[in-house]
Amino acid sequence: DVQLVESGGTLVQPGGSLRLSCAASGFTFSGYWMSWVRQAPGKGLEWVANIKQDGSDTYYVDSVKGRFTISRDNAKNSLYLQMNSLGAEDTAVYYCARVPGSLSYYDYWGQGTLVTVSS
Amino acid sequence: EVVLTHSPATLSLSPGERATLSCRASQSVRNNYLAWYQQNPGQAPRLLIYGASSRATGIPDRFSGSGSGTDFTLTISRLEPEDFAVYYCHQYGTSPFTFGQGTRLEIK
Repeated sequence: DVQLVESGGTLVQPGGSLRLSCAASGFTFSGYWMSWVRQAPGKGLEWVANIKQDGSDTYYVDSVKGRFTISRDNAKNSLYLQMNSLGAEDTAVYYCARVPGSLSYYDYWGQGTLVTVSS
Repeated sequence: EVVLTHSPATLSLSPGERATLSCRASQSVRNNYLAWYQQNPGQAPRLLIYGASSRATGIPDRFSGSGSGTDFTLTISRLEPEDFAVYYCHQYGTSPFTFGQGTRLEIK
């Protein structure tokens, strides 16, 4: 079975940094684009970033460009999101999701990890 | 940016009834790359429909998607108790990939 397990979410101060991880299993991780999607408390879903199978292409929503970096380690079947210069607007549950194609929907999601930015 | 608007925001129906949820895009969705997800409280979203009308693996056939261009519909033919949740449409044809604000389907 496909499994995606996020970790790394915690309380962080404004201006701080955090690295999220997503451990993938049950499929050939290196064969898929991957994505991060977030959901602020009580709000809707927001796409954050995508990364190509080999990590050579990445895409970001404008609100995180220059602050967040998506990366992956195919040898470890892991996806990452490095988040810098965090603000209150980044408070959300962060989901990693599998993307079947370069322009594609999300067919499997992790359970999410909560990032809270507050002093 | 393609803005997706759900209607209604909340839909109150009874089990066994038919549900019709609408998603309208601010511009034509490229290649009808439109998906629908179901989300229950405290859980991750679940893919229901992709490509506007293709059911995802394991999704019951009471769920169907239709539409093209700027107007899309998710229909649940006969509501089961587990169908009461929040539903989101999502366009993945044009970056930034966007979601609607959701329709909450509640028990009447």
